[in-house]
Amino acid sequence: DSGVTQTPKHLITATGQRVTLRCSPRSGDLSVYWYQQSLDQGLQFLIQYYNGEERAKGNILERFSAQQFPDLHSELNLSSLELGDSALYFCASRGPYNSPLHFGNGTRLTVT
Amino acid sequence: AQKVTQAQTEISVVEKEDVTLDCVYETRDTTYYLFWYKQPPSGELVFLIRRNSFDEQNEISGRYSWNFQKSTSSFNFTITASQVVDSAVYFCALSEEDNTDKLIFGTGTRLQVFP
Repeated sequence: DSGVTQTPKHLITATGQRVTLRCSPRSGDLSVYWYQQSLDQGLQFLIQYYNGEERAKGNILERFSAQQFPDLHSELNLSSLELGDSALYFCASRGPYNSPLHFGNGTRLTVT
Repeated sequence: AQKVTQAQTEISVVEKEDVTLDCVYETRDTTYYLFWYKQPPSGELVFLIRRNSFDEQNEISGRYSWNFQKSTSSFNFTITASQVVDSAVYFCALSEEDNTDKLIFGTGTRLQVFP
């Protein structure tokens, strides 16, 4: 168990809808990362937050947004969903400088 | 540009065989980090190892060993005496010093170990 908690485990929704994925980092970790794993794109970095502030952006669509709250949990919001957004979304957190990333179990999103 | 190549899409072995998963990377940086992650059928990503570019010593952890060779830009992973529980997808990843938080993953190698 990595200590990173993601909910829900599975999500099935229709095109055009909006969903929110939730992540609780490991105790004490200030950084939260979101990654997307899809069949065609593989594992891709989406966005990083550190102590409530956005730190880095990767290949994140404009329809997607994220935030990190004062209690350090993070939410990834996906809107105007398309079939191609179906993927496994991972959250990861890390400890002090130079620590490796530890990933949660992921949320599997299916858009129908 | 940074890139990680795992040319082996799928490998099948019988239990107790040794197996090596290949990873070749590209980067312009002199300081970088290499990682291996395991993704079992249950789906989670499990951290296995991280090496920095200045440490070319091979590492052994139980049945797992890693061979880092800067001369060939490779960071290969060997499982000795494989077991059915080793069946998973294994990902090699790279991060660069100026952004150690952004991992660039390879496409993964699916390892199937048959009893």
